[in-house]
Amino acid sequence: RKEVEQDPGPFNVPEGATVAFNCTYSNSASQSFFWYRQDCRKEPKLLMSVYSSGNEDGRFTAQLNRASQYISLLIRDSKLSDSATYLCVVNFLPPGGSQGNLIFGKGTKLSVKP
Amino acid sequence: DTGVSQNPRHKITKRGQNVTFRCDPISEHNRLYWYRQTLGQGPEFLTYFQNEAQLEKSRLLSDRFSAERPKGSFSTLEIQRTEQGDSAMYLCASSLEFGPGNYEQYFGPGTRLTVT
Repeated sequence: RKEVEQDPGPFNVPEGATVAFNCTYSNSASQSFFWYRQDCRKEPKLLMSVYSSGNEDGRFTAQLNRASQYISLLIRDSKLSDSATYLCVVNFLPPGGSQGNLIFGKGTKLSVKP
Repeated sequence: DTGVSQNPRHKITKRGQNVTFRCDPISEHNRLYWYRQTLGQGPEFLTYFQNEAQLEKSRLLSDRFSAERPKGSFSTLEIQRTEQGDSAMYLCASSLEFGPGNYEQYFGPGTRLTVT
């Protein structure tokens, strides 16, 4: 089982639609969770960290379910500029250690159409 | 621009040649990471530094790969005797760590390597 799994998509949605991405992770010791956005042939850019209580940033809402090892990202009122690949990212703290490398999913491609 | 920078942005080399990439992290960041990304995949971890110390290396980092961060500032990643399978985007990221917590990593624009 891959460490971080995402539906690769593509998700093709009209402007103004609400779209949800899901992600599961295999390591129950994972401690930190993020969503990154990556445009074609560009570097990943941090979209938002994901906190246990869930968090919202404008049109974006992230949720974490530790019991199910599941993370989600909801985009409301989607814009053309939201078209990108969304990467689910987790990190775990090794025993006695501190945060190290990130584990990325393959990403979910979103295409928002006029 | 005070973000992470990488040079060169593109490198085309012939199989068997050595290549070296440079990464300059955000100036106050003490952690520096190298990742590799191939088409259709998410970035895969290669190695990271805390200041000048290399703390972890992935099994992806074969003997042909070496990374340094001699003064705890910029880092270099060298690939010796390049192979076609080394063709990828090499990404550098940095973060500031000051204790246990949830630290965000910021990526540079990457160096795209093509081995012919």
